[in-house]
Amino acid sequence: AQKVTQAQTEISVVEKEDVTLDCVYETRDTTYYLFWYKQPPSGELVFLIRRNSFDEQNEISGRYSWNFQKSTSSFNFTITASQVVDSAVYFCALSPRTSSASKIIFGSGTRLSIRP
Amino acid sequence: DGGITQSPKYLFRKEGQNVTLSCEQNLNHDAMYWYRQDPGQGLRLIYYSQIVNDFQKGDIAEGYSVSREKKESFPLTVTSAQKNPTAFYLCASSILGQRDRGKMGTEAFFGQGTRLTVV
Repeated sequence: AQKVTQAQTEISVVEKEDVTLDCVYETRDTTYYLFWYKQPPSGELVFLIRRNSFDEQNEISGRYSWNFQKSTSSFNFTITASQVVDSAVYFCALSPRTSSASKIIFGSGTRLSIRP
Repeated sequence: DGGITQSPKYLFRKEGQNVTLSCEQNLNHDAMYWYRQDPGQGLRLIYYSQIVNDFQKGDIAEGYSVSREKKESFPLTVTSAQKNPTAFYLCASSILGQRDRGKMGTEAFFGQGTRLTVV
């Protein structure tokens, strides 16, 4: 089965706090991509990062960082020193390797609210 | 500018009517997708396509139909058979990566969405 689980439905923190969004995935494939997307109130999904299953290096981009651990099938996202503009719904997604057409499977999302 | 264009942004449908949502991309992407999003929920895959004249059902295809006559276009028709069509519909496209004889969708780029309401 191919599945992405984001157990945190909603998170609310005060500005400048650090916050981690959890993502756990299931796939039998050894080759796959993982993604994180941001959905602001406007509705359009914004791509944040792609991670190849063969690359377990953590990545940092400004205040954003991602921790990929194949041993626990997790791909967590941390925002450091959060800001009000970070308020959005965040989705984790999985794209497994298939012999036929590809598809991208999304988690249910985590709504992040940053309070001033 | 390259991107994905969905139209209309808002759509109202009377019960029993079929409506078609437009999705056009000029990114030269092979794969295209339609997702449905209900309030407070995640994205559920309706249909996807990796090549012209070919498409596959996603998890919630019942009551929907698609066509892929051109690489750039992937319109979605919401038929009268769809019992609860009110939702936010998102179209996306991606490059199709090849690895070990398999295909993988790379990061998808999304349109701005169409909000469909049944009146």
